[in-house]
Amino acid sequence: KNEVEQSPQNLTAQEGEFITINCSYSVGISALHWLQQHPGGGIVSLFMLSSGKKKHGRLIATINIQEKHSSLHITASHPRDSAVYICAVRSSGAGSYQLTFGKGTKLSVIP
Amino acid sequence: EPEVTQTPSHQVTQMGQEVILRCVPISNHLYFYWYRQILGQKVEFLVSFYNNEISEKSEIFDDQFSVERPDGSNFTLKIRSTKLEDSAMYFCASSESPGSSYEQYFGPGTRLTVT
Repeated sequence: KNEVEQSPQNLTAQEGEFITINCSYSVGISALHWLQQHPGGGIVSLFMLSSGKKKHGRLIATINIQEKHSSLHITASHPRDSAVYICAVRSSGAGSYQLTFGKGTKLSVIP
Repeated sequence: EPEVTQTPSHQVTQMGQEVILRCVPISNHLYFYWYRQILGQKVEFLVSFYNNEISEKSEIFDDQFSVERPDGSNFTLKIRSTKLEDSAMYFCASSESPGSSYEQYFGPGTRLTVT
């Protein structure tokens, strides 16, 4: 069973700061997801990646398959980025498509 | 942009009652999932569903749970006899295909409160 660890658990940043959230997992995966959960509870998918790097606006996600590690970066952070960021992985076992989730990183961006 | 919808947004029920949570996946998606998140805890996989049958289920998904696709658009999760510990946010998700290159799209969730 894959174990997904995120750090930090909580993060407070000043508006404009560069933010990094880390995710590590224990077993080989076929895909890794970065998700955003707002205070109301809804989950939005930010990225799905299996190698390299993806960029969308101010968000960048990277993954290192050999090291079993991924990072989510937010450039020029803004108070509207305040949310819980969740890493979830799909293990590489045949026929298994369920996601295993980390506990999330709660980000607060202060104006 | 197409989205997954869920109803109701909040359901309050008494212990022992049956509840049905409803989801409308994205129309061309073929693979469906239910997840739950107990308050303050991480999201957990419950079940996946493809071609009118369960593909995979977790140890949480015991005999009190069932899933169904009663028509061409809805996907439901039934909890037969609710317990206090079933109180959680329940998320439905869908994907075009189960393959690893296909993203899962999540609905807004149904908050279930069992009293």
